[in-house]
Amino acid sequence: QKEVEQDPGPLSVPEGAIVSLNCTYSNSAFQYFMWYRQYSRKGPELLMYTYSSGNKEDGRFTAQVDKSSKYISLFIRDSQPSDSATYLCAPGGGGSTLGRLYFGRGTQLTVWP
Amino acid sequence: NAGVTQTPKFRVLKTGQSMTLLCAQDMNHEYMYWYRQDPGMGLRLIHYSVGEGTTAKGEVPDGYNVSRLKKQNFLLGLESAAPSQTSVYFCASSYPNYQPQHFGDGTRLSIL
Repeated sequence: QKEVEQDPGPLSVPEGAIVSLNCTYSNSAFQYFMWYRQYSRKGPELLMYTYSSGNKEDGRFTAQVDKSSKYISLFIRDSQPSDSATYLCAPGGGGSTLGRLYFGRGTQLTVWP
Repeated sequence: NAGVTQTPKFRVLKTGQSMTLLCAQDMNHEYMYWYRQDPGMGLRLIHYSVGEGTTAKGEVPDGYNVSRLKKQNFLLGLESAAPSQTSVYFCASSYPNYQPQHFGDGTRLSIL
């Protein structure tokens, strides 16, 4: 079983839609949860960073972590064409992993005008 | 502020050739990482370093070597390139204790 499972999509939505992106993970020791956004032919860039369970909101983006079910979500409200990118979840922490993050395969999102 | 800079951006090699990918960061980060990204496989960790003079194996280390002689630089070497090493290689750096990793824009490597 992979450490992190993420549906690769692709996901295509109209502008203004609410987007839900999800990951599941297997390591109960994970405490840090990040979402990265990657535009075509660029490196991943940090979008959201949460510690432990709960919600974190930043503008149109909300990250949720449910450690009891090992489930991570990213919601995008009022999606824009500029949100078209690949989104990668990346949990980490616990034990001797020394800063290592475990990346999901990424979900490719297209927002059409 | 350049962040993480990777050199070169593109390269084509023949099987059996060797090369070194350079990563430089100007954020004074302790930790540095090398990943490869292949279609459908996501980011896979090759090697990482938690400080100058240290290196450790990641998920897919075979066929690669690394060195961290200076804190700001992390080198990834391919001694004898193979077609299976055709990929996009990303370098990242971070502060310790699960601080966010900052990525370069990648090196696109093709091995014929």
